[in-house]
Amino acid sequence: DTGVSQNPRHKITKRGQNVTFRCDPISEHNRLYWYRQTLGQGPEFLTYFQNEAQLEKSRLLSDRFSAERPKGSFSTLEIQRTEQGDSAMYLCASSWGRDNSPFFGPGTRLTVL
Amino acid sequence: QQQVKQSPQSLIVQKGGISIINCAYENTAFDYFPWYQQFPGKGPALLIAIRPDVSEKKEGRFTISFNKSAKQFSLHIMDSQPGDSATYFCAASKGYGAAGNKLTFGGGTRVLVKP
Repeated sequence: DTGVSQNPRHKITKRGQNVTFRCDPISEHNRLYWYRQTLGQGPEFLTYFQNEAQLEKSRLLSDRFSAERPKGSFSTLEIQRTEQGDSAMYLCASSWGRDNSPFFGPGTRLTVL
Repeated sequence: QQQVKQSPQSLIVQKGGISIINCAYENTAFDYFPWYQQFPGKGPALLIAIRPDVSEKKEGRFTISFNKSAKQFSLHIMDSQPGDSATYFCAASKGYGAAGNKLTFGGGTRVLVKP
């Protein structure tokens, strides 16, 4: 499968715990994006990498959120001290070049109890 | 601040009918307008996209119409099939050729095609 992959697909955690999600983009894609989608809403932009550089972060990305993309390959999104409001689908997307639409992965559904 | 407004929130269409979804945007810097299709439990999948230098783009049964002066664009699904039942999102981004392709999404339209 040459698409964007995300792991885990589902995560249930208790409030206050830390969670980490992984995204593996399409291999030749140099751009990687994280979005968050709550039920019945469109995805909201969180952050974006070009190669290993994190170029933009949304105001939605509080201090409890951190994303990395070491070596410009896979990316991780960590949420510290999770809150119930963090429950959502976290989507990763990747693209190549400046003018191409991002391709989305299947998402990681986070439930915070 | 919702920069892309999508309507209707849901629609039901008979098999073979036409589904029409409308979007309006506020930011005149937007210059790239894709549509995504999402099935339950899946990530959004790109359907078709348009830039403001054309007023219409067709790919198979899917057509985008774009009205730059009105800051509106719409998706038409011709000959709708039960397999088209999904949630559709319009999106917009700015900076043709600029770094990044950060998308601002509409709220989504849930389409149900009845056999």
